[in-house]
Amino acid sequence: DVKVTQSSRYLVKRTGEKVFLECVQDMDHENMFWYRQDPGLGLRLIYFSYDVKMKEKGDIPEGYSVSREKKERFSLILESASTNQTSMYLCASSGTGLAGGPYEQYFGPGTRLTVT
Amino acid sequence: QQPVQSPQAVILREGEDAVINCSSSKALYSVHWYRQKHGEAPVFLMILLKGGEQKGHDKISASFNEKKQQSSLYLTASQLSYSGTYFCGTEYRGATNKLIFGTGTLLAVQP
Repeated sequence: DVKVTQSSRYLVKRTGEKVFLECVQDMDHENMFWYRQDPGLGLRLIYFSYDVKMKEKGDIPEGYSVSREKKERFSLILESASTNQTSMYLCASSGTGLAGGPYEQYFGPGTRLTVT
Repeated sequence: QQPVQSPQAVILREGEDAVINCSSSKALYSVHWYRQKHGEAPVFLMILLKGGEQKGHDKISASFNEKKQQSSLYLTASQLSYSGTYFCGTEYRGATNKLIFGTGTLLAVQP
């Protein structure tokens, strides 16, 4: 079974702190993604990575950065946490299909981050 | 642009049918469907890659109308286990490997 794990289920941080969210997958997937989920807004893509050290901005990258030093690990960094970054953060991974498009995405359990 | 899902929410009795629609303003390459139960991670249901393609998964099936740039998810004879939020994820030509998810449709199946 594909497994995507995230470092914390719940996290409480103070405004201005630097926050690291870690994601690890065990299926040798090329693609990894970070989303945030807010009520009524669905899943919004923050960043994704299609290879080690490669990254692309998603739809809402402002205030975030990412790091992918190893294939199995993808980190999301909040450089200076703000209250409007309070949200559920979901990591996902996928392989690549024959046509170049993705296979299904496998999601981690999520990290509920509260910034006070 | 996020695809538009409709309806936003639907309440069913067990055994009833439902249709969830996903529309895009841009030409689609593929559509993915996921279900998220309360407090859990989204789980993949199916991918539709070709125009007109229909796929089935037990009593859940979907169609993809490339011309209309939309997909529909059909849930027939609904069961309590179908409850959750359904998301479509759209993939566009020139931006493959990247899904844009809709805002979700909350489905509640009651006994």
